[in-house]
Amino acid sequence: AQSVTQLGSHVSVSEGALVLLRCNYSSSVPPYLFWYVQYPNQGLQLLLKYTTGATLVKGINGFEAEFKKSETSFHLTKPSAHMSDAAEYFCAVSGDTGRRALTFGSGTRLQVQP
Amino acid sequence: GAVVSQHPSRVICKSGTSVKIECRSLDFQATTMFWYRQFPKQSLMLMATSNEGSKATYEQGVEKDKFLINHASLTLSTLTVTSAHPEDSSFYICSARDRRLSSGNTIYFGEGSWLTVV
Repeated sequence: AQSVTQLGSHVSVSEGALVLLRCNYSSSVPPYLFWYVQYPNQGLQLLLKYTTGATLVKGINGFEAEFKKSETSFHLTKPSAHMSDAAEYFCAVSGDTGRRALTFGSGTRLQVQP
Repeated sequence: GAVVSQHPSRVICKSGTSVKIECRSLDFQATTMFWYRQFPKQSLMLMATSNEGSKATYEQGVEKDKFLINHASLTLSTLTVTSAHPEDSSFYICSARDRRLSSGNTIYFGEGSWLTVV
């Protein structure tokens, strides 16, 4: 069984400031981890994913995330926030990229203040 | 890149009627698709796994007779909400896994479908 906990349902940062969205997971098997972004009234767009190999994963739009097994974490960061980054962000886990669906966290709404 | 398309993006139906939502993988074959439901300002909840050529696997608490899923081809899965009620109003999202080696098993999501039952 897998689960995802996203700490902070709302995060507000100033434009140009560091973005840090927290994600902790629980998985009985080696996890595959994902971050998705959802803009209002739209579907989900994949930001980045970790499957195996390098623990620091770079994604689109300047985002990156680091898989830390010892901390069961997969936090999402971006050095400098843009207004266009305002959206809902979901962390998700899957124990098997072959068949199983993703288990999503509750989401974090990012607000970017001018 | 790979694209998953949902249709319609928005639909309004009367209470008691049925409505069908389509999910298509546009440039890859998907033996497995997933249907999620999302309530406003909440996360995505998996409803069912749609398997091409066989019956869908429903999550606990999801009524299979109410939410009919058909995966008739490798590029199309449909979700039919039967005898819709206002509480079925929600955002429905499908996803499909691109199992080609070139994609790295990436999961792609459709744009979602807003269902409003009046």
